[in-house]
Amino acid sequence: GESVGLHLPTLSVQEGDNSIINCAYSNSASDYFIWYKQESGKGPQFIIDIRSNMDKRQGQRVTVLLNKTVKHLSLQIAATQPGDSAVYFCAEIYYNQGGKLIFGQGTELSVKP
Amino acid sequence: EPEVTQTPSHQVTQMGQEVILRCVPISNHLYFYWYRQILGQKVEFLVSFYNNEISEKSEIFDDQFSVERPDGSNFTLKIRSTKLEDSAMYFCASKTGTGYEKLFFGSGTQLSVL
Repeated sequence: GESVGLHLPTLSVQEGDNSIINCAYSNSASDYFIWYKQESGKGPQFIIDIRSNMDKRQGQRVTVLLNKTVKHLSLQIAATQPGDSAVYFCAEIYYNQGGKLIFGQGTELSVKP
Repeated sequence: EPEVTQTPSHQVTQMGQEVILRCVPISNHLYFYWYRQILGQKVEFLVSFYNNEISEKSEIFDDQFSVERPDGSNFTLKIRSTKLEDSAMYFCASKTGTGYEKLFFGSGTQLSVL
């Protein structure tokens, strides 16, 4: 079915530490995944994406890992900063359904100074 | 960076009233979407729109909902007779294609149905 879910609803880390946010997806046919960041009162903001022909992709301070065998996605944030505090969603694209995104439940990341 | 613009930012209405939520997608985008987010929950897909017609809609998008692109710049979501459970943040989004392009979201309209 259409389901992208997250393992943990909240994550609290110390400033400067690395954060790892996890996501499980159920549609084995999905081939494009995106991580979004949502700050309070704002719309989701694109962070990083990955296609299914890759297992790792790096951005600025962020890395996304994809394990298609177990249908698992993770977002790693290096040297977490207070400005990283937000809710993080993974999402997958359904190309044969108008290109819609299906979002996971979200993980709230809190960064302690 | 170009932005998706939504108005109003907050809308309060009485149950049974009609509301229209407005969006101006990014100018060269061709695919438009509405999503909603009930407080504390995930973002849920409502509808996708391309070439002046709905290309996909969810179970949430029933006969009370409609979308329109009345001119070359606006994209609207209408709820004909609002219910209490329609209270949510509504996000408009747009992208250039259905492939590996970024989906840009607006800041949302917070709809409160009393």
